[in-house]
Amino acid sequence: DIVMTQTPLSSLVTLGQPASISCRSSQSLVHSDGNTFLSWLQQRPGQPPRLLIYKVSNRFSGVPDRFSGSGAGTDFTLQISRVEAEDVGVYYCMQATQFPHTFGQGTKLEIK
Amino acid sequence: EEQLVESGGVVVQPGGSLRLSCAASGFTFDDYTMHWVRQAPGKGLEWVSLITWDDGRTYYADSVKGRFTISRDNSENSLYLQMSILRTEDTALYYCAKDEWHGMMTVWGQGTMVTVSS
Repeated sequence: DIVMTQTPLSSLVTLGQPASISCRSSQSLVHSDGNTFLSWLQQRPGQPPRLLIYKVSNRFSGVPDRFSGSGAGTDFTLQISRVEAEDVGVYYCMQATQFPHTFGQGTKLEIK
Repeated sequence: EEQLVESGGVVVQPGGSLRLSCAASGFTFDDYTMHWVRQAPGKGLEWVSLITWDDGRTYYADSVKGRFTISRDNSENSLYLQMSILRTEDTALYYCAKDEWHGMMTVWGQGTMVTVSS
């Protein structure tokens, strides 16, 4: 199984400042069709997860442009350009290149 | 509005069985692959299972393989998870999710809670 490792596991950020979360996979996430099926999801307190980014760098509909994804192969990053209060929650990376699909442990984002 | 509503979560004894349901509305259910994802209390997300939209192929996490069975009834716009030989570590909030394309989980339900305890 592909192991997804996120760092940091928690992050305390000042409002308006940037935040960055790293996700590393134990194997390359490049699929045989050439795509890389790495997503980022946000889970606000008491809510179900919500898709933010798919295929490494594509923002899902309705996601603010302060969220961006980058990376390739085994190393990926979610960046928030200017953190807002509504960004508090836990962020997960997830790979769907190979079965079983696997999530990272989650990164808790809090406001300073 | 696209919506998923899970049901069927209860308290069950170890070794017991349970069937979860997920009712879909607002989209053409037959056209989409569907997932089950779970979250133990205070823990992270764990992918559980998937069933494809076209030929009904199924896939499972190692932790549930041989004990859980995913299925769907397109005529009822419903997804199911038959759970058997339940263990205390299966205690979790179970979500169903719609797969837009290759793991892109665009719609999630609110979840249904399964507690395995004696």
